[in-house]
Amino acid sequence: DAKTTQPTSMDCAEGRAANLPCNHSTISGNEYVYWYRQIHSQGPQYIIHGLKNNETNEMASLIITEDRKSSTLILPHATLRDTAVYYCIVSESGSARQLTFGSGTQLTVLP
Amino acid sequence: SAVISQKPSRDICQRGTSLTIQCQVDSQVTMMFWYRQQPGQSLTLIATANQGSEATYESGFVIDKFPISRPNLTFSTLTVSNMSPEDSSIYLCSVEEETQYFGPGTRLLVL
Repeated sequence: DAKTTQPTSMDCAEGRAANLPCNHSTISGNEYVYWYRQIHSQGPQYIIHGLKNNETNEMASLIITEDRKSSTLILPHATLRDTAVYYCIVSESGSARQLTFGSGTQLTVLP
Repeated sequence: SAVISQKPSRDICQRGTSLTIQCQVDSQVTMMFWYRQQPGQSLTLIATANQGSEATYESGFVIDKFPISRPNLTFSTLTVSNMSPEDSSIYLCSVEEETQYFGPGTRLLVL
């Protein structure tokens, strides 16, 4: 699986959009970009994933650059409950897929 | 998405003893995984629990230390054997459907 690079930490004001970047310059054509988050002392929570088109669901939006070498997770209106470690993972879709977790970004939403 | 439960949610154990962690899913799933998260660290895959056959272990993890059972498509156990303080971690199971979903984790402290 391709390696990802994320900032160690970020702050965001409550109610503002949180934009979390991820670099994955060695991504291959059949690899997806997945985002998970882990709120303190809980199991990781799936957020969103995409291949090359931008994706949106009830939690977030995922913007993938045209060359697919980077992406941005957008939480449109961050709340205090969005404070968590956010993991960007690149992996092939399909069965028997192993997720390789990096260090992630600690997002702190400030009141 | 699948609903996953783990038992126990937390435990404190003495060195040299063993603990079996249970993972129950509310639907039949083909792929189940076990991860470890050491204090302050990211998640590391221990093994893939295969139904009807032996688990597939990642480098650095062995069956004698982490025996795994997978008797059916909704249940798996992970045993942490002959524990030492270095085994103090959060142990998480996950299942693969469209993507991976994680259980709440078992917090283990070994004294």
